[in-house]
Amino acid sequence: GAVVSQHPSRVICKSGTSVKIECRSLDFQATTMFWYRQFPKQSLMLMATSNEGSKATYEQGVEKDKFLINHASLTLSTLTVTSAHPEDSSFYICSASRPQETQYFGPGTRLLVL
Amino acid sequence: AQSVTQLDSQVPVFEEAPVELRCNYSSSVSVYLFWYVQYPNQGLQLLLKYLSGSTLVKGINGFEAEFNKSQTSFHLRKPSVHISDTAEYFCAVSVGAAGNKLTFGGGTRVLVKP
Repeated sequence: GAVVSQHPSRVICKSGTSVKIECRSLDFQATTMFWYRQFPKQSLMLMATSNEGSKATYEQGVEKDKFLINHASLTLSTLTVTSAHPEDSSFYICSASRPQETQYFGPGTRLLVL
Repeated sequence: AQSVTQLDSQVPVFEEAPVELRCNYSSSVSVYLFWYVQYPNQGLQLLLKYLSGSTLVKGINGFEAEFNKSQTSFHLRKPSVHISDTAEYFCAVSVGAAGNKLTFGGGTRVLVKP
């Protein structure tokens, strides 16, 4: 099956700093990548959809200036949480897919903002 | 817009007993249906999917699900669970294409007791 990695798996940062999370498709070219957020004991909420070479499409209520998404290549997408605050602490999960195919999920990144 | 309802937030079950996790969806168009499993602090793993064809879908780890269009349901079943099946299970739908964005249900936590 397709493999998707995320880095880092866990990050702790101070309030006001920015954090970058990488999502890579290791053995396939992903035309589309998705970013989800999951609070404890809750479901996944889609934040944005990114297609390689174009701007990300954000879901309603997600601040695009706070959650910067870049999909510069067919194997890499990054999510940057800018000026992070404690309420941004969460589990961030990415997924990747090829056209007409199922999404494959990364292992997630746990962000803790102090 | 589509929505997904998982009727049980938590299902306790004894080892080697059968389990059924219920999932209902609403959508005005045809959907693709998925079940994912999430172990603690990990990403999502695809259990099975319904794209078209036979309404009974078999997945990994002995799980199966049946698509019922008239009842807009996609219930997940396993005839005999193991301790290792303790996890969170998510039902999800996409429209238009299998690789399009997913809408998740609230999740069902399965706790397998010895």
